[in-house]
Amino acid sequence: RKEVEQDPGPFNVPEGATVAFNCTYSNSASQSFFWYRQDCRKEPKLLMSVYSSGNEDGRFTAQLNRASQYISLLIRDSKLSDSATYLCVVYNFNKFYFGSGTKLNVKP
Amino acid sequence: GAGVSQSPSNKVTEKGKDVELRCDPISGHTALYWYRQRLGQGLEFLIYFQGNSAPDKSGLPSDRFSAERTGESVSTLTIQRTQQEDSAVYLCASSARQGRETQYFGPGTRLLVL
Repeated sequence: RKEVEQDPGPFNVPEGATVAFNCTYSNSASQSFFWYRQDCRKEPKLLMSVYSSGNEDGRFTAQLNRASQYISLLIRDSKLSDSATYLCVVYNFNKFYFGSGTKLNVKP
Repeated sequence: GAGVSQSPSNKVTEKGKDVELRCDPISGHTALYWYRQRLGQGLEFLIYFQGNSAPDKSGLPSDRFSAERTGESVSTLTIQRTQQEDSAVYLCASSARQGRETQYFGPGTRLLVL
């Protein structure tokens, strides 16, 4: 079983839509959680860390559910520039585990 | 300030040759990570350094892969006797210290083994 699993998508949404991604992780002892964004043929960049109480950064909201071992990312009022692959990342035992990513296409 | 840099940006080599990939982390970052990303796939952890030591080499795919880091700065990833399945983007990342700190990625080296 993979450490981190994500729906690969693609999610095709119109501008202005709200879209949500989930990610599950296998190790209940995982310590830290992140969402990274990766544009085509570019390196991943940190979008936001995920805190136990949930956290928001502008149009982006991240939630953590330790009991069910999943992390979510909600994007409100989608912009064309949000089109990218979103990587769920879990840190435990000195390693970062990356999901394969969920592809988002925001259409005009 | 300068970010993580990697060289070369692209490398085409013939099967069986050795290649050396270089990573310059952000100055002062003690932790350094190497990942491999095959086309259309997620990141695969290879190895990390805390300072100059590599506590965990379990991610290296085979004994053809090795890495070293000197002076708590530059790291090199060496692939000996390259195979076609080694073709991928090799990404390096650094963080202020090993642990939960944010990783900053370099642009990667695109390796193509013919």
